[in-house]
Amino acid sequence: DVVMTQSPLSLPVTLGQPASISCRSSQSLVYSDGNTYLNWFQQRPGQSPRRLIYKVSNWDSGVPDRFSGSGSGTDFTLKISRVEAEDVGVYYCMQGTHWPYSFGQGTKLEIK
Amino acid sequence: EVQLVESGGGLVQPGGSLRLSCAASGFTFSSYEMNWVRQAPGKGLEWVSYISSSGSTIYYADSVKGRFTISRDNAKNSLYLQMNSLRAEDTAVYYCACISIAARLDYWGQGTLVTVSS
Repeated sequence: DVVMTQSPLSLPVTLGQPASISCRSSQSLVYSDGNTYLNWFQQRPGQSPRRLIYKVSNWDSGVPDRFSGSGSGTDFTLKISRVEAEDVGVYYCMQGTHWPYSFGQGTKLEIK
Repeated sequence: EVQLVESGGGLVQPGGSLRLSCAASGFTFSSYEMNWVRQAPGKGLEWVSYISSSGSTIYYADSVKGRFTISRDNAKNSLYLQMNSLRAEDTAVYYCACISIAARLDYWGQGTLVTVSS
């Protein structure tokens, strides 16, 4: 099974400053069709998760453009250009290339 | 408006069974693959099971394989999770989720809490 490893697990950030979360997979996430099915989810306190990014770098509906995804193969990054108060929560990467799907452990973003 | 509403959670003894339901509305349920994702108290997300739009393709996490069964009734716009031989470690909020890994489509329910305890 594919293991997803995120770092850091805790991320204190000053409002208006950038933030970056790393996600590494135990094997390549490039599928036989050439696509890489790496997703990023946000879970705000007390809420259900919602996806921010699919296929490494594509925005879901309503996602602010201060969020961006990048990476390839086994190394991926979620970046927030300028953190806002509403960004507080836990961020998860999830791979959809290999069965079973798997999530990273989560990165808790908080405001300093 | 898209809605996914889970029901059927509750307290069950170890070894017992429970059936979760997810009622979908606001989108063409029969056209989309569905998933169950769970979250133990204070823990991260764990993918549980997947079913294709027609129901012909199904996958499970190793932790639930042989004990849980996913199914759907497209005529009733409903998704189900039959959970047997429940263990304490199955205690979690269970989310019904419509997630397309290839397209801009991501809907989640509010979750239903399953507690396995004597």
